[in-house]
Amino acid sequence: AQKVTQAQTEISVVEKEDVTLDCVYETRDTTYYLFWYKQPPSGELVFLIRRNSFDEQNEISGRYSWNFQKSTSSFNFTITASQVVDSAVYFCALRWRGGSYIPTFGRGTSLIVHP
Amino acid sequence: SQTIHQWPATLVQPVGSPLSLECTVEGTSNPNLYWYRQAAGRGLQLLFYSVGIGQISSEVPQNLSASRPQDRQFILSSKKLLLSDSGFYLCAWSGDSPESSYNEQFFGPGTRLTVL
Repeated sequence: AQKVTQAQTEISVVEKEDVTLDCVYETRDTTYYLFWYKQPPSGELVFLIRRNSFDEQNEISGRYSWNFQKSTSSFNFTITASQVVDSAVYFCALRWRGGSYIPTFGRGTSLIVHP
Repeated sequence: SQTIHQWPATLVQPVGSPLSLECTVEGTSNPNLYWYRQAAGRGLQLLFYSVGIGQISSEVPQNLSASRPQDRQFILSSKKLLLSDSGFYLCAWSGDSPESSYNEQFFGPGTRLTVL
């Protein structure tokens, strides 16, 4: 069975603070894919990143960075120098190899960045 | 480039009325298509998915149905809406490849449905 846990329901920070959103996953498969999505107040989910289980390299994209650690089954997302526009709900998701078209989503973390 | 459209953007319907939400994808062929609902709170509930024309899999039994009459068209319907059908409905697509689980999903702008 697959499971994605985003234990942080809501995080509130002040602009320019760094913030890390946690994602812990469970799967029996050795080949799987992890994703992060952003859902701003407008509602549309925006794809941010995909990672496969064989690639543990950390990824950096501007102020965003992702830390994938198989040893702890975590795929955490850090926003550096947060901005008000980062306010959104962030979802972590997992898909496993083997014919499953259905990702498992975490319940999301609401990030509020105050000016 | 690929785009995904949903309409209407918002909808207010009385209990017992029918429903039809439409989703179309452009710029790709044979996509996997999905309908999700996001009720109060934030969780995403998968309602239906489709891997091809006329092929629909239901994840949650309820008074909703889905159809895929064309390759890039996905329709969510109901004959009689319930109060509990209120929510934010999202359509998504992902690429079809031998490793379909590899592909991320791309979501439409959503339809906010209020049933009164």
